[in-house]
Amino acid sequence: KQEVTQIPAALSVPEGENLVLNCSFTDSAIYNLQWFRQDPGKGLTSLLLIQSSQREQTSGRLNASLDKSSGRSTLYIAASQPGDSATYLCAVVVNSGNTPLVFGKGTRLSVIA
Amino acid sequence: DAGVIQSPRHEVTEMGQEVTLRCKPISGHDYLFWYRQTMMRGLELLIYFNNNVPIDDSGMPEDRFSAKMPNASFSTLKIQPSEPRDSAVYFCASSSGTTVEGKLFFGSGTQLSVL
Repeated sequence: KQEVTQIPAALSVPEGENLVLNCSFTDSAIYNLQWFRQDPGKGLTSLLLIQSSQREQTSGRLNASLDKSSGRSTLYIAASQPGDSATYLCAVVVNSGNTPLVFGKGTRLSVIA
Repeated sequence: DAGVIQSPRHEVTEMGQEVTLRCKPISGHDYLFWYRQTMMRGLELLIYFNNNVPIDDSGMPEDRFSAKMPNASFSTLKIQPSEPRDSAVYFCASSSGTTVEGKLFFGSGTQLSVL
């Protein structure tokens, strides 16, 4: 059974700092991996999607990398801003047909002005 | 498009009462998912539909939970009777494509409190 782990559960950084959020998964046979952002009281917004054949995806100040063989992904946020404060979740689709996303529990990020 | 629309946003009910949560997916999306989120367990998939047909309901906790999708633009999740341990945020999400690996769009959720 695929399990997704995100460490740390919470992270606090000063504004302007570059930071890395970590995601690990137990079964390396994934189809893709997505990073989501969740603001308090809101639903999830998809940030980046990496197909299993890709190594990374970039969107603005965000860069997500994928290392399937080691079962890891990172989300890099450059020049963090208070508006980046949210919970970030990663999720994977296993490579066994039409199966839904398996989510980690997320990392709660606070960027302090 | 207005995105995935869920109602109500908040629901407070007493133990034993029936609760119905509603979802309108994004027009044209052929997959619809119901998730439950708690601090302890994170996001859990309850059930998902493809073209209005339930594909996997193995995540539905017990017979008190049921879900329907009578047409492409509407789905309900019903809990009867409700219990305090059902208190959580329930999310509906939809996606498009021939497989479920497409980008997922979430509604704002229903915060359910069962007293």
